[in-house]
Amino acid sequence: DTGVSQDPRHKITKRGQNVTFRCDPISEHNRLYWYRQTLGQGPEFLTYFQNEAQLEKSRLLSDRFSAERPKGSFSTLEIQRTEQGDSAMYLCASSRGTPSSPEQYFGPGTRLTVT
Amino acid sequence: DQQVKQNSPSLSVQEGRISILNCDYTNSMFDYFLWYKKYPAEGPTFLISISSIKDKNEDGRFTVFLNKSAKHLSLHIVPSQPGDSAVYFCAVLSNFGNEKLTFGTGTRLTIIP
Repeated sequence: DTGVSQDPRHKITKRGQNVTFRCDPISEHNRLYWYRQTLGQGPEFLTYFQNEAQLEKSRLLSDRFSAERPKGSFSTLEIQRTEQGDSAMYLCASSRGTPSSPEQYFGPGTRLTVT
Repeated sequence: DQQVKQNSPSLSVQEGRISILNCDYTNSMFDYFLWYKKYPAEGPTFLISISSIKDKNEDGRFTVFLNKSAKHLSLHIVPSQPGDSAVYFCAVLSNFGNEKLTFGTGTRLTIIP
């Protein structure tokens, strides 16, 4: 069990550029989640997948954001035409999603800075 | 409308004493409650959880208490150690078709040696 991994750990980009982040969940977990955290706040839910199906999206996820999990394993989160307000820590989590084990385990996060 | 509140932004506790972190929630439909610990520049680490059918769960130095009538959750750490210094988040989960965790704003715990 190697835990949830995320790449890159840090990304600095200029306003208007596109960025893509990758998340590799714990291998036996079929649920994968994306959250965003800004300074002084708790993580806020963005979207989640069960296997390859995207089952819920937050209203925080504007049309500039897209997430995929093509083979039900790793996931990518893309932000198009980045804005300074997109600067945040982007967190990925995974879980078994069963009633007896609903805990979500987080990766180290990708810190995005938009200049 | 904040559904999960941690009203103490910070807490300082002497090493070896008990740390008590508190969390209040508004929705009685929440049925699973979790505590996470976060160090700077890292993702949250799962600590301990409790389902709504219980009122207490222990794991080593960590105990979580749930008071459903008061919609109140607390985490007790005893004895507190310097490595416990971190930001602690409570989070809630509803299994009624809603898989997202809703987090509080966190409490920064500092253990004084």
